[in-house]
Amino acid sequence: SQTIHQWPATLVQPVGSPLSLECTVEGTSNPNLYWYRQAAGRGLQLLFYSVGIGQISSEVPQNLSASRPQDRQFILSSKKLLLSDSGFYLCAWGYGIGDNEQFFGPGTRLTVL
Amino acid sequence: DAKTTQPPSMDCAEGRAANLPCNHSTISGNEYVYWYRQIHSQGPQYIIHGLKNNETNEMASLIITEDRKSSTLILPHATLRDTAVYYCIASLGNTGNQFYFGTGTSLTVIP
Repeated sequence: SQTIHQWPATLVQPVGSPLSLECTVEGTSNPNLYWYRQAAGRGLQLLFYSVGIGQISSEVPQNLSASRPQDRQFILSSKKLLLSDSGFYLCAWGYGIGDNEQFFGPGTRLTVL
Repeated sequence: DAKTTQPPSMDCAEGRAANLPCNHSTISGNEYVYWYRQIHSQGPQYIIHGLKNNETNEMASLIITEDRKSSTLILPHATLRDTAVYYCIASLGNTGNQFYFGTGTSLTVIP
């Protein structure tokens, strides 16, 4: 069966510090991978998605970036965090094209102080 | 992707059917309707999806109107554990299959 992992579960970082959040998927190959952010009391905002190694599409311009160094690894990064980067970050995976659902990880709660 | 509109909140008595509406009047012919729910501080959980026909699984039923401009998610016998935010999403099955979540409906199941 497929599983998706995210770490860390919670993170408190000062403004201006770097960020690296990691997501890995097990039990499937060549998945589509996604990063979402959920601010307090808001819906989920799609940040990045990837259909293959090294292929990243950005949905919202911001000071975040994503990378996919391996087939089942997706990393969200920032060189300098802003207060507005606080939120609940969710990684998801899905199969390729077609009417396929996405499966979400447990999330990382990031607080920038 | 088509924008969806949902009521911000609903209550439902435990044991009763919960009917959650969603409007997607600009949906295109090849966009699917997906439903997810999110329990506080957890990742969203897939519930059901459909294109034209009504769908049913072990969790819920999805009723899509003939013109596809709206749909209803039905939880047949709501329990306290069904209290969550429910998201209706219209999405193409294209490359990347991006989902755009709105603010959803906060369903509270009352004992």
